[in-house]
Amino acid sequence: NAGVTQTPKFQVLKTGQSMTLQCAQDMNHNSMYWYRQDPGMGLRLIYYSASEGTTDKGEVPNGYNVSRLNKREFSLRLESAAPSQTSVYFCASSPKDRGLHQPQHFGDGTRLSIL
Amino acid sequence: GQSLEQPSEVTAVEGAIVQINCTYQTSGFYGLSWYQQHDGGAPTFLSYNGLDGLEETGRFSSFLSRSDSYGYLLLQELQMKDSASYFCAVNTGFQKLVFGTGTRLLVSP
Repeated sequence: NAGVTQTPKFQVLKTGQSMTLQCAQDMNHNSMYWYRQDPGMGLRLIYYSASEGTTDKGEVPNGYNVSRLNKREFSLRLESAAPSQTSVYFCASSPKDRGLHQPQHFGDGTRLSIL
Repeated sequence: GQSLEQPSEVTAVEGAIVQINCTYQTSGFYGLSWYQQHDGGAPTFLSYNGLDGLEETGRFSSFLSRSDSYGYLLLQELQMKDSASYFCAVNTGFQKLVFGTGTRLLVSP
């Protein structure tokens, strides 16, 4: 099993360009998440999707949009990239949206630089 | 606001025991998790506490005191491969995690 797959792994954009980060999981998980991680920082939740067809904002949603295309895929879009969005982006999934404990499984990340 | 406090760095030698503390202040609490992240890698789940007390998983143990808003991760018999960053994370509801800023553990021979 591949787990959580993110594409691309690296990307350089110019300010104002748009881009979609792709994420797919093959574990039949219901919930999916997008985080960003800045140097020396923890992960901050951008958006999450508790189930297919639903999405909701996390801590830092401004400047981003998401689409839960189907159960497997959850994409993150930057409509007009800004240097402040330079970061490492992680996608994660977990089995359910409720319950006492559902560990999240992370992809390898997309390293995004905006010039 | 939401905040999780962890030491920024801890150093130890191989074979030793190290404790990484985490204090939290969040709106909503449904458990404390710990994740490990090697440089350039993805976070991986280590341990979870939903109730007060100690959870043991091999060389790693985690403790929670909800009344003190405090938890810790205990790593025993340290190995070089344990050099990594360790993050505590609070589930604030619907599996939404708020992460601490991480503790960098350096294990020396």
